[in-house]
Amino acid sequence: EVQLVESGGGLVQPGGSLRLSCAASGFTFSSYSMNWVRQAPGKGLEWVSYINSGSSTLYYADSVKGRFTISRDNAKNSLYLQMDSLRAEDTAVYYCAKDSSSWDIDYWGQGTLVTVSS
Amino acid sequence: QLVLTQSPSASASLGASVKLTCTLSSGHSSYAIAWHQQQPEKGPRYLMKLNSDGSHKKGDGIPDRFSGSSSGAERYLTISSLQSEDEADYYCQTWGTDIRVFGGGTKLTVL
Repeated sequence: EVQLVESGGGLVQPGGSLRLSCAASGFTFSSYSMNWVRQAPGKGLEWVSYINSGSSTLYYADSVKGRFTISRDNAKNSLYLQMDSLRAEDTAVYYCAKDSSSWDIDYWGQGTLVTVSS
Repeated sequence: QLVLTQSPSASASLGASVKLTCTLSSGHSSYAIAWHQQQPEKGPRYLMKLNSDGSHKKGDGIPDRFSGSSSGAERYLTISSLQSEDEADYYCQTWGTDIRVFGGGTKLTVL
């Protein structure tokens, strides 16, 4: 059974930093691309970032480019999102999401809440 | 620009069928999409991948009541024999060379 478990969310002040983690199990993590997707309170889903299986290709939404960094450790079956220079508008539930072999997202984690507030 | 457009809301009666629509932006009518369901207070769940020719591949454990179809730039999700647990937000999603895109979501109310 595929499982994606996010952690690392919490309350942080504007301008601060936070690192999210996603522990993956139930599939060959090193063979699949991964994503971070977020959902602000009462809003829809917003794609944040993508990383391919070998970490050679990284993509970011314009809203986070230059502030967020996606990475992965295939030996630890883990995905990360380093979030710097956080803003109030980054407040959201952050989901780890697995790509299928044909580029659609086919599995989701349960999410971790990030709140940016003073 | 790659954009997906969904109606904000839809409603249908218990036991009936409903067809939700996702429209691809101009120039992108050949793109495949995915449908995802998000029940209240839960994370999203993958329903299916839907190709431009209407062929689709469902996720693990998705009931036969859920099906997909396509026409031009429009992608559809049909839910038959509606049940109370189908009341949820439904999102379409697609992908480009360096981007993933979500539609704004459709909130389905089961009457």
